[in-house]
Amino acid sequence: RKEVEQDPGPFNVPEGATVAFNCTYSNSASQSFFWYRQDCRKEPKLLMSVYSSGNEDGRFTAQLNRASQYISLLIRDSKLSDSATYLCVVNLGNTGKLIFGQGTTLQVKP
Amino acid sequence: DTGVSQDPRHKITKRGQNVTFRCDPISEHNRLYWYRQTLGQGPEFLTYFQNEAQLEKSRLLSDRFSAERPKGSFSTLEIQRTEQGDSAMYLCASSLPVRTGLTNTEAFFGQGTRLTVV
Repeated sequence: RKEVEQDPGPFNVPEGATVAFNCTYSNSASQSFFWYRQDCRKEPKLLMSVYSSGNEDGRFTAQLNRASQYISLLIRDSKLSDSATYLCVVNLGNTGKLIFGQGTTLQVKP
Repeated sequence: DTGVSQDPRHKITKRGQNVTFRCDPISEHNRLYWYRQTLGQGPEFLTYFQNEAQLEKSRLLSDRFSAERPKGSFSTLEIQRTEQGDSAMYLCASSLPVRTGLTNTEAFFGQGTRLTVV
């Protein structure tokens, strides 16, 4: 089983749609969690950290369920500029090793 | 520019040659990571350092790959006897260390070195 798993998609949605991405991780000792965004042929960049109580940043909401070892990202009112690959990232506790999921591709269409 | 920088940005080499990539992390970051990424996949962990100490090396990494961070600042990744399967984007990232009370330590990436082995 992969340490971090995501549905690769692609997710094709119209502008204005709400879309949700899921991610599961295998190591229960994982301490911190992130969503990164990667545009085509660019480096990954932090979109948002994921906190235990859930957190929101504008149209983006991240949730963490430690019991189920599950992370989600919700994007509301999708924009064309949201088209990218979204990477789920887990920091493996004391080792500090950052593990990436495969990424989920989002294509927002007019 | 105070971000992570990688050099070169692109490298084309013949199969069997050795290549070396360099990464300069953000100055106050003592964690440095190397990843490899191929099309349609997420970044695959290769190795990472805290200061000059190499903490872990992926079991997927053959002995042809070696990384160093001699003074705890910049790092080099060397691939010996390159193979066509080594063609990928090699990404470097740096971060502050995980410690009590500072768990959400994001990593910042360089723009990567794209390796093509012909």
